[in-house]
Amino acid sequence: AQSVTQPDIHITVSEGASLELRCNYSYGATPYLFWYVQSPGQGLQLLLKYFSGDTLVQGIKGFEAEFKRSQSSFNLRKPSVHWSDAAEYFCAVGPYILTGGGNKLTFGTGTQLKVEL
Amino acid sequence: GAGVSQSPSNKVTEKGKDVELRCDPISGHTALYWYRQSLGQGLEFLIYFQGNSAPDKSGLPSDRFSAERTGGSVSTLTIQRTQQEDSAVYLCASSLKRAGLAADTQYFGPGTRLTVL
Repeated sequence: AQSVTQPDIHITVSEGASLELRCNYSYGATPYLFWYVQSPGQGLQLLLKYFSGDTLVQGIKGFEAEFKRSQSSFNLRKPSVHWSDAAEYFCAVGPYILTGGGNKLTFGTGTQLKVEL
Repeated sequence: GAGVSQSPSNKVTEKGKDVELRCDPISGHTALYWYRQSLGQGLEFLIYFQGNSAPDKSGLPSDRFSAERTGGSVSTLTIQRTQQEDSAVYLCASSLKRAGLAADTQYFGPGTRLTVL
């Protein structure tokens, strides 16, 4: 069965500092990987996604993520964090090749980011 | 354009009552998903609709949960005889499922926060 692990429940960084949020996945087939962000009281907003090609993908709001197949990781990074980045971040995995069960995503438990001014 | 909308945004009910949660997907999106986000459980897949195909109900936690999608658009998630453990945020997502491809990007609504007293 597929699973996603986000080992850091909470992370605090200073504004302007760099950020890396970790994500490890377990998936029996070629994965389709996503990072979503959720602000308080809001739904999930897609930051970026990866399914093939260049293993370094760029997303919105200055975020990027690198897919490393050998490490089963898809870590999210940002060179300089802004106070508005404070939110909860979710990594998710889904099927690249369609299965009978549709495209349901398996999510990690999330990482809560706090930004200190 | 308009995103995924959900109603109500908040619902407080008494244990044992039935509730209905509504989701309006993005116009033209053929795939619709329901997820549940609860403390300690993260985001869990509940049910998936794709066009006129039979829905994937593999994530529904009990037979008290059901969902339907009328006319390939609006979906209603019904929880009968609610229990306190049903308290959670219920998220709906839709995607433009294209033939021959697997996971398209899922766009999420703001969610319905259900509180069962």
